[in-house]
Amino acid sequence: GDSVTQMEGPVTLSEEAFLTINCTYTATGYPSLFWYVQYPGEGLQLLLKATKADDKGSNKGFEATYRKETTSFHLEKGSVQVSDSAVYFCALSDRNNAGNMLTFGGGTRLMVKP
Amino acid sequence: GAVVSQHPSRVICKSGTSVKIECRSLDFQATTMFWYRQFPKQSLMLMATSNEGSKATYEQGVEKDKFLINHASLTLSTLTVTSAHPEDSSFYICSAQRLREPFFGQGTRLTVV
Repeated sequence: GDSVTQMEGPVTLSEEAFLTINCTYTATGYPSLFWYVQYPGEGLQLLLKATKADDKGSNKGFEATYRKETTSFHLEKGSVQVSDSAVYFCALSDRNNAGNMLTFGGGTRLMVKP
Repeated sequence: GAVVSQHPSRVICKSGTSVKIECRSLDFQATTMFWYRQFPKQSLMLMATSNEGSKATYEQGVEKDKFLINHASLTLSTLTVTSAHPEDSSFYICSAQRLREPFFGQGTRLTVV
């Protein structure tokens, strides 16, 4: 079955540091890949997505490239801010699944210190 | 703006009572909605797939008699936690797909005392 593995947290960084959160996946079909962010006490917000190999998703300074050869979708940001502190979830949606339900990774908590 | 609305955002109930959580697609029709559960500091786990006009499909290990799902219209799915126990305390979140993209509700934090 489909699965998503992402690096365990927490990840603690100083403001303006470079961020990488690793994410790898296994899927039987041709998945779309997503990064969601969850701020404390809130639901999930879509951060970025990519629907096919070599696509790069980007938003709010975050980027992730769909790498089919390494089955990866690592999240990066060049300079993090305190306001980026949240939990980040990598997820995939396999087009072979009816309704496109999501399979989530375990989540990575990011803490950015001033 | 939000395209999926979930209500209530927080609820505290006594053991043995039932709680209903609503998930609405605001400006589109959703024949399928998904219900997830998130335990503290853990990831989201799919509980069930809600299908408009038919029975929900439950994931393995999820009690269908305890977590009642009704999807009576194309814009509303409800999850009822029946005879709630403290171990049901969790964060429940729904999603619906619009134009092939999943959108999530704000989530409901249920605390059973």
